[in-house]
Amino acid sequence: AQRVTQPEKLLSVFKGAPVELKCNYSYSGSPELFWYVQYSRQRLQLLLRHISRESIKGFTADLNKGETSFHLKKPFAQEEDSAMYYCALSFPQGGSEKLVFGKGTKLTVNP
Amino acid sequence: DGGITQSPKYLFRKEGQNVTLSCEQNLNHDAMYWYRQDPGQGLRLIYYSQIVNDFQKGDIAEGYSVSREKKESFPLTVTSAQKNPTAFYLCASSRPRTDLWAQPQHFGDGTRLSIL
Repeated sequence: AQRVTQPEKLLSVFKGAPVELKCNYSYSGSPELFWYVQYSRQRLQLLLRHISRESIKGFTADLNKGETSFHLKKPFAQEEDSAMYYCALSFPQGGSEKLVFGKGTKLTVNP
Repeated sequence: DGGITQSPKYLFRKEGQNVTLSCEQNLNHDAMYWYRQDPGQGLRLIYYSQIVNDFQKGDIAEGYSVSREKKESFPLTVTSAQKNPTAFYLCASSRPRTDLWAQPQHFGDGTRLSIL
């Protein structure tokens, strides 16, 4: 079955410290992975996707098929990065597209 | 801002009552989705629709119903059969898969449903 695991419910770092939000997935096909972010009082929005291979707001994520992981990293965290982060796996099913979310990690960046 | 509009922002339901949550999009997206968000549970898929007049059950469809009569609209009804309806409900839409890749979903601001 398709599954996304984010092992950390809460993550707290200091401003300027590196941050890594972990995401592991279970999927027998070729995975398509996304990171979504929800800032306080804002709607859930796309942060980045594995096919783009670009840095968004200083964040990067590399798909590691051997370890079935898609960890989100930033070398120097900022206070404005404090938010809820969701890893998601997209896959086709019966002519439709489904998205399975992890349970999310709440990142707090302390001053 | 435009995109996806969910209404109302807050909704209260009495025992035994059906309530309908509205979701409208002006993105010209074919696919629409309803998720339920509970603390510590992430987002769970309730129903989804790829085209007008067609929809499929998601992982937690029991106690919910939907319709897709127009491309822009995908209302969700929380019926009295849903025994634990208190949650935050999110609507999303997306373009169809292009070539090999899935398209990202765009989300509304959500509706918070509570039981009186």
